[in-house]
Amino acid sequence: GEEVAQTPKHLVRGEGQKAKLYCAPIKGHSYVFWYQQVLKNEFKFLISFQNENVFDETGMPKERFSAKCLPNSPCSLEIQATKLEDSAVYFCASSHSDTQYFGPGTRLTVL
Amino acid sequence: KNEVEQSPQNLTAQEGEFITINCSYSVGISALHWLQQHPGGGIVSLFMLSSGKKKHGRLIATINIQEKHSSLHITASHPRDSAVYICAVRSGSGAGSYQLTFGKGTKLSVIP
Repeated sequence: GEEVAQTPKHLVRGEGQKAKLYCAPIKGHSYVFWYQQVLKNEFKFLISFQNENVFDETGMPKERFSAKCLPNSPCSLEIQATKLEDSAVYFCASSHSDTQYFGPGTRLTVL
Repeated sequence: KNEVEQSPQNLTAQEGEFITINCSYSVGISALHWLQQHPGGGIVSLFMLSSGKKKHGRLIATINIQEKHSSLHITASHPRDSAVYICAVRSGSGAGSYQLTFGKGTKLSVIP
């Protein structure tokens, strides 16, 4: 597609539950990025992929967060045992060169 | 780690005013992005700069690599320009450096 698609738009989880977010990058884009935006203006890089390979995961809290980009499937970001501080908007972006195109985000609320 | 500072944090302007938003960073970069986040949360990439100046409609972005500083200008501002403007930098070069480090954003409100 011509836009980055993210699902679901909103996700509510109780503390300790699992959350799974999906991202379909723009067709032809080989790079996918996940960002976490807490408190509206604090963006944090989580992980990037080049095709299905993890490229940079320096921002991932590895004990609970995992991500995949498998061929012919949307990319996914999974949080095991969610915590209150995981409440944020999670943005996915894709690119084929320099400009990153952002999806609309998934708002995760952990209660 | 690159520190990205934006100023001002909040900006209120009258319709028609010329607006400048500033961004400075601490470590040399390969590219700088200006992003616009609408009140609904959607993000639009406005510019990607590695040197000089770019113009798109009423928006102009400049970067001074030596001074580690960039500015975003809006001419003849309009209420629909009201949004949060975010500066984000990419350090290093090559595919492995594509992650962005973000400033905290400048919230712009343009009053009719």
